[in-house]
Amino acid sequence: GEEVAQTPKHLVRGEGQKAKLYCAPIKGHSYVFWYQQVLKNEFKFLISFQNENVFDETGMPKERFSAKCLPNSPCSLEIQATKLEDSAVYFCASSRLGTSGSYYEQYFGPGTRLTVT
Amino acid sequence: AQTVTQSQPEMSVQEAETVTLSCTYDTSESDYYLFWYKQPPSRQMILVIRQEAYKQQNATENRFSVNFQKAAKSFSLKISDSQLGDAAMYFCAYRSAPNDMRFGAGTRLTVKP
Repeated sequence: GEEVAQTPKHLVRGEGQKAKLYCAPIKGHSYVFWYQQVLKNEFKFLISFQNENVFDETGMPKERFSAKCLPNSPCSLEIQATKLEDSAVYFCASSRLGTSGSYYEQYFGPGTRLTVT
Repeated sequence: AQTVTQSQPEMSVQEAETVTLSCTYDTSESDYYLFWYKQPPSRQMILVIRQEAYKQQNATENRFSVNFQKAAKSFSLKISDSQLGDAAMYFCAYRSAPNDMRFGAGTRLTVKP
């Protein structure tokens, strides 16, 4: 597709429950990124993929967060045992593979708002 | 590490007037890309404009233009003839590697009728 799709739009989980978010990148884009945006609006980088390979996961709280991008499936971000502080909007973005020296803009999905109660 | 700084948490402009949003960045790279994104209340991130560091000419997209000062590591966004629909959070972003994007903290722009 021509847009990054994210599902669901909203997700409500009780503390301790699992949450799973999905992202379908733009067709032909090789890079996928996950960001967390909390109420103060700053973007926190979580993880990135080049195709199905993890490229950078330095932002992931690994004890509870995991992510995958498998061929022919939407990418996913899963939070085990959610905590109140996980409440945020989670954005997925995708980007083309640039030719040497070209780094393209990221196209963002509409986000998934996760509320942990 | 590269950092992006937006020193204006909030800005206000009268409809039809011009406003400039500031952004500075820190980098040791010579080749990189800079972007401005707009995030309206819907939270959708919309690309406003991009600038390649190797290009001296400032990018322009309709009412939006940038003032790119590479030596000063400054990348400001000018919005001319401001419209009510321009009200949003604006994020400056920097990218120097295929898998790296750094965002500023954002500037909230209010447009007064």
